[in-house]
Amino acid sequence: EAQVTQNPRYLITVTGKKLTVTCSQNMNHEYMSWYRQDPGLGLRQIYYSMNVEVTDKGDVPEGYKVSRKEKRNFPLILESPSPNQTSLYFCASSSGGGPDTQYFGPGTRLTVL
Amino acid sequence: GQQLNQSPQSMFIQEGEDVSMNCTSSSIFNTWLWYKQDPGEGPVLLIALYKAGELTSNGRLTAQFGITRKDSFLNISASIPSDVGIYFCAGIQYSGGGADGLTFGKGTHLIIQP
Repeated sequence: EAQVTQNPRYLITVTGKKLTVTCSQNMNHEYMSWYRQDPGLGLRQIYYSMNVEVTDKGDVPEGYKVSRKEKRNFPLILESPSPNQTSLYFCASSSGGGPDTQYFGPGTRLTVL
Repeated sequence: GQQLNQSPQSMFIQEGEDVSMNCTSSSIFNTWLWYKQDPGEGPVLLIALYKAGELTSNGRLTAQFGITRKDSFLNISASIPSDVGIYFCAGIQYSGGGADGLTFGKGTHLIIQP
């Protein structure tokens, strides 16, 4: 089954404790992206990657890092999480080299205390 | 980044009614997309529009790419209970290096009363 998986689905952590949210897709897609969703603000793009070893900042990249060492994986790294990074995070991937036909993962709800 | 103004923010309608929502921007977009998000899930793509003036249907859903390339519209005909959810518009701008990312509207929350 074609899918985008994220782990963990739920995470509660404390300020400053480094964490990684993994994202994996089994569709051989080139384009992958991370979004955060906040009430009243909709979805905002954090980082995206058009292919292996190619990453670019989205609209809200501050406080986040990503890497794209393999085509299928695109982890989101928070080196020093802060409470304002409490949010619902979505990973997405698409085949066309751009974001127009994205499949979204199920989401990761992160709470930073 | 760019901003998309989506309206209305929420809609309360009766089952069977038609629904209209729209998205506007002060900037030109090359691609317009419409997504639906159900509670606890990620957004799902409904319709993608690639040309100004384009009108595309997906079952009871019809979306249009505005002629000015600064707006888009989504219509749902004869609404049913499973249409409940949050609908997002999104736009893509392209530069010489490819897509400059995806900008989302803030969503229209559709609530249907049976």
